[in-house]
Amino acid sequence: RKEVEQDPGPFNVPEGATVAFNCTYSNSASQSFFWYRQDCRKEPKLLMSVYSSGNEDGRFTAQLNRASQYISLLIRDSKLSDSATYLCVVNPTSGGSYIPTFGRGTSLIVHP
Amino acid sequence: GAGVSQTPSNKVTEKGKYVELRCDPISGHTALYWYRQSLGQGPEFLIYFQGTGAADDSGLPNDRFFAVRPEGSVSTLKIQRTERGDSAVYLCASSSDSGSSYNEQFFGPGTRLTVL
Repeated sequence: RKEVEQDPGPFNVPEGATVAFNCTYSNSASQSFFWYRQDCRKEPKLLMSVYSSGNEDGRFTAQLNRASQYISLLIRDSKLSDSATYLCVVNPTSGGSYIPTFGRGTSLIVHP
Repeated sequence: GAGVSQTPSNKVTEKGKYVELRCDPISGHTALYWYRQSLGQGPEFLIYFQGTGAADDSGLPNDRFFAVRPEGSVSTLKIQRTERGDSAVYLCASSSDSGSSYNEQFFGPGTRLTVL
């Protein structure tokens, strides 16, 4: 089983739709979680961190479920510009070496 | 431009040749990471530097790969006897990780390596 798993998609949605992605992780000792966005042939950029209490940034909401070991990203009112690959990132431990593990990414295509 | 820079942006080489990829991190960032990304996959960890030392090189696939960061700033990833399977985008990222917390990574634009 991979350490971090994501459905690669693509998720094909119309503008204005709400879409959600999940990401599961295998290491229960994981301490920090992030969503990155990667546009085609570009580098990944941090979208948002994921906190235990859940957090919201405009149209984006991220949540963490430690019991079931998954994180989620919800995008409301999708825009054409949201089309990208969304990478889930899990950091295993708060001590020692910090080796973030990336999922393979979920592709989102928002169409008119 | 205070971001992470990488050179070259593209590198085409022949099987068996030696290549060097350079990363210039954000000034003051002590942590530097190298990743490799193949099409349709997420970035795959290669090596992590904290200052000048390699804190974790467990992701290097074999002894053909080596990286240095002699002055704690610029880093060079070196690949000997390149193979076609080494073709990928090599990403560098830096952060202000202190060794006791994890902070946002800032990625460079990557070097696209093609081994013919």
